[in-house]
Amino acid sequence: EVQLLESGGGLVQPGGSLRLSCAASGFTFSNYAMSWVRQAPGKGLERVSTITNSGGGTYYPDSVKGRFTISRDNSKNTLYLQLNRLRAEDTALYYCAKRVVASGPGYFDYWGQGTLVTVSS
Amino acid sequence: EIVLTQSPGTLSLSPGERATLSCRASQTVSNNYLVWYQQKPGQAPRLLIYAASSRATGIPDRFSGSGSGTDFTLTISRLEPEDFAVYYCQQYGSSPQTFGQGTKVEIK
Repeated sequence: EVQLLESGGGLVQPGGSLRLSCAASGFTFSNYAMSWVRQAPGKGLERVSTITNSGGGTYYPDSVKGRFTISRDNSKNTLYLQLNRLRAEDTALYYCAKRVVASGPGYFDYWGQGTLVTVSS
Repeated sequence: EIVLTQSPGTLSLSPGERATLSCRASQTVSNNYLVWYQQKPGQAPRLLIYAASSRATGIPDRFSGSGSGTDFTLTISRLEPEDFAVYYCQQYGSSPQTFGQGTKVEIK
């Protein structure tokens, strides 16, 4: 059974940092690209980063580029997201999501339950 | 960037009725690379349909997807109580991948 378990969320002041983690199990982690997708309270879905299976390729939208960094440790089956220079508009539930491919176009076939990031003074 | 517009915003129906949800793209979706997700309150999204019309593993056959190019439809043939939720479309044919804003299917 595929499981994705996020952790690391919390309350942080504007300008602060957090590191999110996603522990994966039930599949060969190193074979698949992974993403972080966020959902602001009462809002829709926004992909905030993707990393290829090897970690050699990454993607960020302009809204987070230069502030967020995605990484992975295939030996630990764990995905990470480093969030720096946080803003109020980054407040959201952050989901870890498994893609169906190693790299290139793909959708998400499994999602974690999310970890909540709240940016407020 | 491809903008996906879902309609209606909210669909009020009774159990047993047919639901038809629309997802319209601002440009052609390459290879009909479009998926539908279902999200219930307090839960993560669940994959329903991929490549516009293929049901994901374990998805009941009352869910069907259709369409091509810029116009896509998710149909729920007979609504079950557990189908009342928010539904999102997403295209993955062009970068950046984009989501629609969602359609809420609520009990009338």
